[in-house]
Amino acid sequence: DTGVSQDPRHKITKRGQNVTFRCDPISEHNRLYWYRQTLGQGPEFLTYFQNEAQLEKSRLLSDRFSAERPKGSFSTLEIQRTEQGDSAMYLCASSLTGTAGTDEQYFGPGTRLTVT
Amino acid sequence: AQKITQTQPGMFVQEKEAVTLDCTYDTSDQSYGLFWYKQPSSGEMIFLIYQGSYDEQNATEGRYSLNFQKARKSANLVISASQLGDSAMYFCAMRGTYNFNKFYFGSGTKLNVKP
Repeated sequence: DTGVSQDPRHKITKRGQNVTFRCDPISEHNRLYWYRQTLGQGPEFLTYFQNEAQLEKSRLLSDRFSAERPKGSFSTLEIQRTEQGDSAMYLCASSLTGTAGTDEQYFGPGTRLTVT
Repeated sequence: AQKITQTQPGMFVQEKEAVTLDCTYDTSDQSYGLFWYKQPSSGEMIFLIYQGSYDEQNATEGRYSLNFQKARKSANLVISASQLGDSAMYFCAMRGTYNFNKFYFGSGTKLNVKP
């Protein structure tokens, strides 16, 4: 089990450019989550997939943000026309439905985005 | 609405001593789960301990225990015998009943363990 992986780990981009991040969840996990974490704050929920279906999106996820999980495995998060306010750590997590008790989420190492 | 409050931005503890990190929560759900995560400087969130709202016993996992006081809506993390490797950010999180899959996180506590 390799855990949740994210790519890239760091991304520096100029304002107005598009960026795409990838998340590979733990292989048997059917749920996948994206969070955004700014400096000094806890993670904030962005969106959630169960298999390939995107079931919920936060109001934080503006029209410039889009997420996909085409085959219920890996997921991508795209930000179009980046703004400096998008600078943050983007965390991906996965979990398995029906896990006894906790339904705990396992997090990846995150992608740190810097918009200049 | 769900809300998690962590009032200690930073804490210091001497190595080998115990430390308590505070967490209070607000929810109208009858059933919910409370979690603590550790985030080292590398950035990865590491799950530490879970407490269900109907669990009668306080959760324990090795050196971690959760002091759950339901009436006071508090879920404090106790780390016993602190180690230098415990230095990190610690986040309290909650998930509710109706939005089972969304975790709400507090703003975190930065713990520094002194040798």
